[in-house]
Amino acid sequence: SQQGEEDPQALSIQEGENATMNCSYKTSINNLQWYRQNSGRGLVHLILIRSNEREKHSGRLRVTLDTSKKSSSLLITASRAADTASYFCASDMVDYKLSFGAGTTVTVRA
Amino acid sequence: DGGITQSPKYLFRKEGQNVTLSCEQNLNHDAMYWYRQDPGQGLRLIYYSQIVNDFQKGDIAEGYSVSREKKESFPLTVTSAQKNPTAFYLCASSTQGSGANVLTFGAGSRLTVL
Repeated sequence: SQQGEEDPQALSIQEGENATMNCSYKTSINNLQWYRQNSGRGLVHLILIRSNEREKHSGRLRVTLDTSKKSSSLLITASRAADTASYFCASDMVDYKLSFGAGTTVTVRA
Repeated sequence: DGGITQSPKYLFRKEGQNVTLSCEQNLNHDAMYWYRQDPGQGLRLIYYSQIVNDFQKGDIAEGYSVSREKKESFPLTVTSAQKNPTAFYLCASSTQGSGANVLTFGAGSRLTVL
């Protein structure tokens, strides 16, 4: 069964704007990860946040984690056309199986 | 370059046929995974293997089979018992180091049943 749910399902923004997407999960996790998928391609790992962390940054990416609410958010700042992709959260549970949500499709308009 | 190679990229199958999707990695990763992706449904785990000669069913294993005879290889067979096999199939591997299971994915194989 799928552990994570992303919100919104789709997002369209202007180049230079920020994009925020949210993820909720159901059970205890070791960490939560975000992946990007360009159309018709495999997924690429973006960033990982551990269960004892609240916020993490990597370049233009900012991830937050609220274990009390079982939720995470991914912020992409100063978006570019190359950021157009689908973004998936994945919860890494105690048995080391990743469970993926349905993804958020982000379109960055020039 | 290290990575995961999936083949073929596109595959067409007639109903009633078995097909095998190849997945090879040269990352020296212990664990390998097969996911199925349908539009709007994200990724669902089919099978995974944490060590050679051992594998476990994921959430949607019915109609699929795998083998793990070598560390580098984890082929997936889509059997005729799989009622709706048209999908995008993704293979992944991981080291499960540092208490985190970060996956490296292949480029995927798109299977279409005619």
